[in-house]
Amino acid sequence: DVKVTQSSRYLVKRTGEKVFLECVQDMDHENMFWYRQDPGLGLRLIYFSYDVKMKEKGDIPEGYSVSREKKERFSLILESASTNQTSMYLCASSRSRTGRGETQYFGPGTRLLVL
Amino acid sequence: QQQVKQSPQSLIVQKGGIPIINCAYENTAFDYFPWYQQFPGKGPALLIAIRPDVSEKKEGRFTISFNKSAKQFSLHIMDSQPGDSATYFCAATPAERGGADGLTFGKGTHLIIQP
Repeated sequence: DVKVTQSSRYLVKRTGEKVFLECVQDMDHENMFWYRQDPGLGLRLIYFSYDVKMKEKGDIPEGYSVSREKKERFSLILESASTNQTSMYLCASSRSRTGRGETQYFGPGTRLLVL
Repeated sequence: QQQVKQSPQSLIVQKGGIPIINCAYENTAFDYFPWYQQFPGKGPALLIAIRPDVSEKKEGRFTISFNKSAKQFSLHIMDSQPGDSATYFCAATPAERGGADGLTFGKGTHLIIQP
């Protein structure tokens, strides 16, 4: 079974702190994604990566950056956390960028509260 | 700009009934349409997906109907059970990049199946 793990289930941070959210997948997937989930808004794509050191902006990249130094690990960075970044953050991965229509496998999410 | 519109926001159905969740999209480049199911405290998981070369796809009690000309697709759950109570998200993506693009999600439908 594909497993996507996220480093924390819950995080509480202060405004202005630098926050790192870590995601690891164990199935040698090429693609990795970060979404945020907010009530009434669904899931929105923040950033994604289809290869090591490659990254592309999603729909809402402002205030975030990412890092993918190894194939299995994709980090989301909040350079200076703000209260409007309080949310559920979901990491996902999919197998290949050359197939047609790939299943995305999600981690359990990290619920971040910024005070 | 919301590219995938999902309705209803919430739905209550009696056990054995057939809940129907509808989605409409605008981007004609979309050609892969998955549905994800999410239980509380879990990440979303792929339920069923369709490509626009077919008008219907069935997997067990779950059926997707697809209307390419209307740019609409819907999920039907036959013989619904209390265990189907979850949040359902439709999504879409251009498939030519093999899933290397992130998914565009609808806002979700909170479904309750009453015993």
